[in-house]
Amino acid sequence: DAGVIQSPRHEVTEMGQEVTLRCKPISGHNSLFWYRQTMMRGLELLIYFNNNVPIDDSGMPEDRFSAKMPNASFSTLKIQPSEPRDSAVYFCASSLIGRGYTFGSGTRLTVV
Amino acid sequence: GEDVEQSLFLSVREGDSSVINCTYTDSSSTYLYWYKQEPGAGLQLLTYIFSNMDMKQDQRLTVLLNKKDKHLSLRIADTQTGDSAIYFCAESLGGSQGNLIFGKGTKLSVKP
Repeated sequence: DAGVIQSPRHEVTEMGQEVTLRCKPISGHNSLFWYRQTMMRGLELLIYFNNNVPIDDSGMPEDRFSAKMPNASFSTLKIQPSEPRDSAVYFCASSLIGRGYTFGSGTRLTVV
Repeated sequence: GEDVEQSLFLSVREGDSSVINCTYTDSSSTYLYWYKQEPGAGLQLLTYIFSNMDMKQDQRLTVLLNKKDKHLSLRIADTQTGDSAIYFCAESLGGSQGNLIFGKGTKLSVKP
């Protein structure tokens, strides 16, 4: 298995633009997580899905953030409109429910 | 609420042992995990311990669990420069949802 695949690896965008981050979990995993990592706040859980259903989105900072998981092999995290304070590394992780996570390599987002 | 605490920095000399400590709050955690993050990469599962165990050894890594004190430690024997990274402790919340709570990470610096 190629592991958790995230795209793009790097994204630079202007304030106000829409940003879409993508994630392909490991085949067979039934939980998917979106995290954000910054120097100031460390690793923050944004949202997670079990069996494609959002379970907890309390970490999503604002209505500007939305996440979808239309099927077991794909998820997106969208920010619209983006702001400079959204600059961070965004990680996707997948697992079997209740077990350790496998993380993707992350998307480094810079909003200027 | 649930919380995982770690010291932020640790510096050791090459060849010495490193001990990274962690405290957690959820006494019903089933598994406790150690993840390693190298610069520019995602978190990589290093090892884990089941909550009914006191110790787990895997080559140069030794995990000690004190359930009474809710204290977890990771010992790296014969620390090498390649061990320089950020190490995250994580606990699984009780129940079947499988959400992990991560500490802020300990940055290990290994000096030659």
